[in-house]
Amino acid sequence: GENVEQHPSTLSVQEGDSAVIKCTYSDSASNYFPWYKQELGKRPQLIIDIRSNVGEKKDQRIAVTLNKTAKHFSLHITETQPEDSAVYFCAASKGLGYGGSQGNLIFGKGTKLSVKP
Amino acid sequence: DVKVTQSSRYLVKRTGEKVFLECVQDMDHENMFWYRQDPGLGLRLIYFSYDVKMKEKGDIPEGYSVSREKKERFSLILESASTNQTSMYLCASQSSTDTQYFGPGTRLTVL
Repeated sequence: GENVEQHPSTLSVQEGDSAVIKCTYSDSASNYFPWYKQELGKRPQLIIDIRSNVGEKKDQRIAVTLNKTAKHFSLHITETQPEDSAVYFCAASKGLGYGGSQGNLIFGKGTKLSVKP
Repeated sequence: DVKVTQSSRYLVKRTGEKVFLECVQDMDHENMFWYRQDPGLGLRLIYFSYDVKMKEKGDIPEGYSVSREKKERFSLILESASTNQTSMYLCASQSSTDTQYFGPGTRLTVL
C-alpha cells in the first residue's frame, strides 16, 4: 500500500525566512496531495492541495510543488511569520475515483514548524 | 462551510468503562473516518465508513468498534477503556473532491 515519508520532523526558522517541508510517496498511482496545518490545540485544516496533473500551485505565501517522476512533493512557506508556527501534515491518495479505501488519505507523521520572532 | 463536530472536547474515564465518542457532519458526506493522534506518530486510522451501516477497519482497530446508523453521525466505541487508549481522537468527513474535514478532536484520558 501507499507509504508517505515526511521530513524534517522539526523545523525552526527566523521570522521572514522561508521554510520547506518535503514528503515522498511510494504509490505512483497517487494523484491527490493535500497539506494540513494544525495549530496547538486545534483541528488539522487544509491549507493547500495539488493534483498530479499540476506541477506547482501557489496561494499567497504558500506553494506546493510536485515531482511525479521522483514521487515527492514539497510545501514552501515564504516570509514566515510567528502565526505560521504549527504542525504541518502532508498526505497522499489515489482519489475517490478509484473506489474503496484507495480514496483514503495516507498521512506523513508531521513537521513541527517554529518561527522565531 | 463544512461543519464537523464532536460530542466532547475533553473526557476522563476509568479503566474498563465503555466510552462513546460521537461525530456529526452537516455536509451529507458519505465517507467518515476516526483517527487517533499521538505525539511523534502522526494520524493513525482506526475505522472508516463509506455509507450508513458500513464500516471498515483501518490500521489500528484493536480495542475499538464503530457505529454508523445515520449518514451524518459516526460513533467510535471503546468497549472497555484501557490506559493505552489515552489519546487525542479526531473525526473527519470526506467530500467528493477528496478533501477531508476534521472535527475539533476529543482528548480522552483513561485513568
